[in-house]
Amino acid sequence: NSKVIQTPRYLVKGQGQKAKMRCIPEKGHPVVFWYQQNKNNEFKFLINFQNQEVLQQIDMTEKRFSAECPSNSPCSLEIQSSEAGDSALYLCASSRGVAETLYFGSGTRLTVL
Amino acid sequence: DAKTTQPDSMESTEGETVHLPCSHATISGNEYIYWYRQVPLQGPEYVTHGLQQNTTNSMAFLAIASDRKSSTLILPHVSLRDAAVYHCILRVRGLGGTGSKLSFGKGAKLTVSP
Repeated sequence: NSKVIQTPRYLVKGQGQKAKMRCIPEKGHPVVFWYQQNKNNEFKFLINFQNQEVLQQIDMTEKRFSAECPSNSPCSLEIQSSEAGDSALYLCASSRGVAETLYFGSGTRLTVL
Repeated sequence: DAKTTQPDSMESTEGETVHLPCSHATISGNEYIYWYRQVPLQGPEYVTHGLQQNTTNSMAFLAIASDRKSSTLILPHVSLRDAAVYHCILRVRGLGGTGSKLSFGKGAKLTVSP
């Protein structure tokens, strides 16, 4: 069973609404990755953190998403204005180091109506 | 991360030993071979990884060819719970700074019949 906790499991939003999801990484894991998995099961890397610092992010994330990993609080990923194409499974993964094994949560399934 | 090639699907029966092949002809010397599996509505589950030597754990045995251009994930005595999409992925070792993203492909869907 995964020790990476993602909430909520399911999220339904209308177009233009904000959509926020959270992730508690495994204890002792300072590195967090976010991925988007679409209906075709294709994965897209979104952003990663080491502690509170952003390491890498793609253009889409920079422009339309807001993400953070504050100390002593869950990490979060928020879409500022949801679009139909954002409907996907959002996966959070954590690891002990930037080149260590990633362990994934169960994901948040976002549906944008 | 370099590309890997897997069959789209494989079929098996409970109790069999399953061999899942993966081709990575352009692998670099500093890339690990990772295997994850995923069932519907769940995130990928880590199975195993290796660099050059064969590895074994409670879930599987990973056989890596001597030239590292291919590998085989061996699942002994599969059960219905082993039915999943299995992903073979390459990941650069020892990167500092930004870390190494995993690049997932479509994987190989393993079906297990009773």
